[in-house]
Amino acid sequence: QQPVQSPQAVILREGEDAVINCSSSKALYSVHWYRQKHGEAPVFLMILLKGGEQKGHEKISASFNEKKQQSSLYLTASQLSYSGTYFCGTEGGNDYKLSFGAGTTVTVRA
Amino acid sequence: DAGVTQSPTHLIKTRGQQVTLRCSPKSGHDTVSWYQQALGQGPQFIFQYYEEEERQRGNFPDRFSGHQFPNYSSELNVNALLLGDSALYLCASSLAQTNYEQYFGPGTRLTVT
Repeated sequence: QQPVQSPQAVILREGEDAVINCSSSKALYSVHWYRQKHGEAPVFLMILLKGGEQKGHEKISASFNEKKQQSSLYLTASQLSYSGTYFCGTEGGNDYKLSFGAGTTVTVRA
Repeated sequence: DAGVTQSPTHLIKTRGQQVTLRCSPKSGHDTVSWYQQALGQGPQFIFQYYEEEERQRGNFPDRFSGHQFPNYSSELNVNALLLGDSALYLCASSLAQTNYEQYFGPGTRLTVT
């Protein structure tokens, strides 16, 4: 079952912060975050494993609340290069596939 | 270090035809997953190959089949194409031991007319 992402879209000015949420109705083993720019392949950002460990990538960080089966991606002091569509991919404990959400489109303006 | 490569980049086919897409994984990776991405949607898992066997399959009909070769490269075959098969087909490679970071290729844009 696909995770649900919110919001669907967000528009930011450079330097502003944003949070993207990803929630699942089933127990999760890991959450993967990707960014895809128009016409390009999704690029791996980070993975969060069961245990709630927070990871970081530049000024992009994320958390995983395994009790709520939710993950949040934090964009801090956004840059123009952060524009793109962000996808969360979730993995259950007994399978190998990633189930992706519908994506959150982030537009950062100067 | 070569990343994931896919061929062809674009393809136009007619309904009812068959198509074969190809993928070479990132150096050192042994697992290949295929995804279908419709416009404006997230990637949908088709299947994953490891040790030349289909390890897991998503909710796709039998018209979608695949193969993995001894050098870990992979093919995706789609028979009896439908208009709804038009999409970006992404290949992702990873290491079986971890299945953590999946590296995506640039994709093949398939258009069915």
